[in-house]
Amino acid sequence: GQNIDQPTEMTATEGAIVQINCTYQTSGFNGLFWYQQHAGEAPTFLSYNVLDGLEEKGRFSSFLSRSKGYSYLLLKELQMKDSASYLCAVKPNSGYALNFGKGTSLLVTP
Amino acid sequence: DADVTQTPRNRITKTGKRIMLECSQTKGHDRMYWYRQDPGLGLRLIYYSFDVKDINKGEISDGYSVSRQAQAKFSLSLESAIPNQTALYFCATSDSTGVAGYTFGSGTRLTVV
Repeated sequence: GQNIDQPTEMTATEGAIVQINCTYQTSGFNGLFWYQQHAGEAPTFLSYNVLDGLEEKGRFSSFLSRSKGYSYLLLKELQMKDSASYLCAVKPNSGYALNFGKGTSLLVTP
Repeated sequence: DADVTQTPRNRITKTGKRIMLECSQTKGHDRMYWYRQDPGLGLRLIYYSFDVKDINKGEISDGYSVSRQAQAKFSLSLESAIPNQTALYFCATSDSTGVAGYTFGSGTRLTVV
C-alpha cells in the first residue's frame, strides 16, 4: 500500500516563494506527480519526477529524493491565480493506478 | 471538444435510485479511471481499466460498478445510491506508459438526497 502525506493548508504572499512538501511510504515506486486543482475544477498536470533531483519548469519546480521518500513543489513569484489545491500522487509499479495525497490548499494573499 | 468528457456535470438523485455516470475520451488512451473526491479526503480510486477487457477494483469499489463499452467509453454506475456517495466524481485517462500523467474530465457533482 501507499501512505502519502502533505500539509493540509498553506498561506503565502503574492510575489513570494512557497514550498509544498510531500512524503510517501510505498511498497512500489515508479514516479511522483504534482497536479494543480482550482476549486470545482479538474486537476491539471504540473510535473513528473522519477529520478532524484530537481525538475524546473518556469515558475514551478519539483524535487524528488527516492531514498528519503520525499518530494516538494516549489512555486516562485507567486501570483493570485496560484491559489489552488496541489496534489501529490505516487505511481506504483506498472499495472497500478496513481495514489493521491489529500492535497494542500494554498492561499495566496496580496 | 474536451479530450475527456463526463456527463452529466451535475446530478441530484434520491436514495435507492440507480444512476450512471458516463465518460468518453478522444485521446486514444487505453487506460481509464474513476475517482471520487471528498473534502479532506482527496482523490480516491473506485475502478480502473487498462483495456477493454480489463476491469480492476480500486480502494473504494463497494456500491459501484463499471462498464468499459469501448476503448473510448468507461461508465460508472451506482446500483442503489446512498447519501454518503455524494461527492465529486472524476474520470481520467492515461497512455500505457503513464509518464505523461492523467488527463481528467471536468467532473460530475453528484448529490444523493
